[in-house]
Amino acid sequence: EAQVTQNPRYLITVTGKKLTVTCSQNMNHEYMSWYRQDPGLGLRQIYYSMNVEVTDKGDVPEGYKVSRKEKRNFPLILESPSPNQTSLYFCASSSPGQGRNIQYFGAGTRLSVL
Amino acid sequence: EDQVTQSPEALRLQEGESSSLNCSYTVSGLRGLFWYRQDPGKGPEFLFTLYSAGEEKEKERLKATLTKKESFLHITAPKPEDSATYLCAVQADAGGTSYGKLTFGQGTILTVHP
Repeated sequence: EAQVTQNPRYLITVTGKKLTVTCSQNMNHEYMSWYRQDPGLGLRQIYYSMNVEVTDKGDVPEGYKVSRKEKRNFPLILESPSPNQTSLYFCASSSPGQGRNIQYFGAGTRLSVL
Repeated sequence: EDQVTQSPEALRLQEGESSSLNCSYTVSGLRGLFWYRQDPGKGPEFLFTLYSAGEEKEKERLKATLTKKESFLHITAPKPEDSATYLCAVQADAGGTSYGKLTFGQGTILTVHP
């Protein structure tokens, strides 16, 4: 089954404790993205990657890091989480082939930073 | 800067009462406009992509249309299972790396009462 898998689904942590949210896709997609979703602000893109070792900032990259060492994986790293990073996070993947670039989303990771 | 505005923020309908959701956008050059459905606690689920003004797409009770400034999602004879948040997003035609970037509106929360 084609899917984007995020782990963990729920995470509670404390300020300053480094964490990683993993994302994996099995569709051989070139593009992968991370979004955060907050009430009243909608979905905002954090980072995206066009392929292995190629990444670019989205609209809200501050406080986040990403890496793309393999095509299927795109982890999101919070080096020193702060309470304002409490949010619902989504990973997505897509392929620009045939002129279509439909992004397929994971189920989400709900993060609380205390 | 790309901008997407959706209206209304929330819409309550009776079962069978047809209506439309609006997505107004400002983008330097439109590569594609996307509609997604999001159920509570889940990731957005792809519905439609529209690429050029005048284009229409249909799926069951949903029909999406596109002009040069806005898109409509028409819902005909809705059922309670159509209740969800509907998200609109645009992708700008701004060079190769822009393929990975989507700008979302804040969504319309649709509730259909039996």
